[in-house]
Amino acid sequence: AQSVTQPDIHITVSEGASLELRCNYSYGATPYLFWYVQSPGQGLQLLLKYFSGDTLVQGIKGFEAEFKRSQSSFNLRKPSVHWSDAAEYFCAVGALANQAGTALIFGKGTTLSVSS
Amino acid sequence: SAVISQKPSRDICQRGTSLTIQCQVDSQVTMMFWYRQQPGQSLTLIATANQGSEATYESGFVIDKFPISRPNLTFSTLTVSNMSPEDSSIYLCSVRTSLHDTQYFGPGTRLTVL
Repeated sequence: AQSVTQPDIHITVSEGASLELRCNYSYGATPYLFWYVQSPGQGLQLLLKYFSGDTLVQGIKGFEAEFKRSQSSFNLRKPSVHWSDAAEYFCAVGALANQAGTALIFGKGTTLSVSS
Repeated sequence: SAVISQKPSRDICQRGTSLTIQCQVDSQVTMMFWYRQQPGQSLTLIATANQGSEATYESGFVIDKFPISRPNLTFSTLTVSNMSPEDSSIYLCSVRTSLHDTQYFGPGTRLTVL
């Protein structure tokens, strides 16, 4: 069965420091991968997505992620964190196949705190 | 992209009652889904809403507790029946216009059961 693992429940980084959030997936078919962010009391916002092609994808707010098939990973990175980046981050995986009705499966999320 | 609205945005309900949540999309979509996000938790898929037929439920969710309707390609409802405090969650409607498209999420309905 498909699954997504985000090993880090909570991460604290200093403002201006670099960030990497880990995501590992288990999926039998060719996956497509997403990162979403959820600020307190807010809805889900898409940061970036990977379908195919270049394995390094750029997203909004200066985020990027790299798909590594050999490691079944899709880690999210940002070179310099801002205080406004403090939020909950979710990695999700879905099928890129002719399976109608296939919905995204989410990891448990990583809470990012930013210290000054 | 797709713009999704949900009603109500939040509600406080009494134990044993039912609440119906509406999801409206601004364009026709192939796939519609309902998720639950319990306090401090991730999103869990409840079911896929199928137009003109019964919804497809995930393990642990049943039609009697979470009946779903989808009369057309832009609208769906989720009912939370015979509520208990354990049903206190955010319920989110989500859509995909095609397999190669992003999955979009509505703003959610925050439900508190007393």
